[in-house]
Amino acid sequence: DTEVTQTPKHLVMGMTNKKSLKCEQHMGHRAMYWYKQKAKKPPELMFVYSYEKLSINESVPSRFSPECPNSSLLNLHLHALQPEDSALYLCASSQDRTSGGRRGTGELFFGEGSRLTVL
Amino acid sequence: AQKVTQAQTEISVVEKEDVTLDCVYETRDTTYYLFWYKQPPSGELVFLIRRNSFDEQNEISGRYSWNFQKSTSSFNFTITASQVVDSAVYFCALSAYQGAQKLVFGQGTRLTINP
Repeated sequence: DTEVTQTPKHLVMGMTNKKSLKCEQHMGHRAMYWYKQKAKKPPELMFVYSYEKLSINESVPSRFSPECPNSSLLNLHLHALQPEDSALYLCASSQDRTSGGRRGTGELFFGEGSRLTVL
Repeated sequence: AQKVTQAQTEISVVEKEDVTLDCVYETRDTTYYLFWYKQPPSGELVFLIRRNSFDEQNEISGRYSWNFQKSTSSFNFTITASQVVDSAVYFCALSAYQGAQKLVFGQGTRLTINP
């Protein structure tokens, strides 16, 4: 069973809707990520949060708005999406290698994803 | 710039055959990490292995083995005695970013194991 939990697993929304994707991890990881994956393509990085601060934004359109309320939670707020935004959205977490003291292994742990369809 | 190439888009073999998935990478960094992930139909990416650039030892884990050759910039993955449950998309990935990871994925190889 994955230790990164994403909800909902499936979401269908219209272009005028506002919805949110949620991600939760309890592994004590301090880095959390959003990836977007289109069919038959590799995941593409969208955002990285490190210690609850946004550290990487891969030039993602503003209709995607990430939020990290605390070290265990990561949200992705969706507004005015386009049909081409339909994809699998994957959340991941990892031990940040620069964390003081213990060095983590660094690998990312992924959730099962939220499959988004925009009509 | 970093790049990962998985030239094999799809592989199909019969159960119990051995199969090797190729991965070639490009990076100018002296310190980097290489990964393999498995993505079954459920969608989750499952971590299989991480290898750092200083460690060229090959690794074996059960039916899985990995061959890292820095001289040819390759990090190939072999499944011995394949099973139907091994059917998935396999991604090779590269990271050279210290701190929060920025993974660069290959295009993936879809592996189908037929009974």
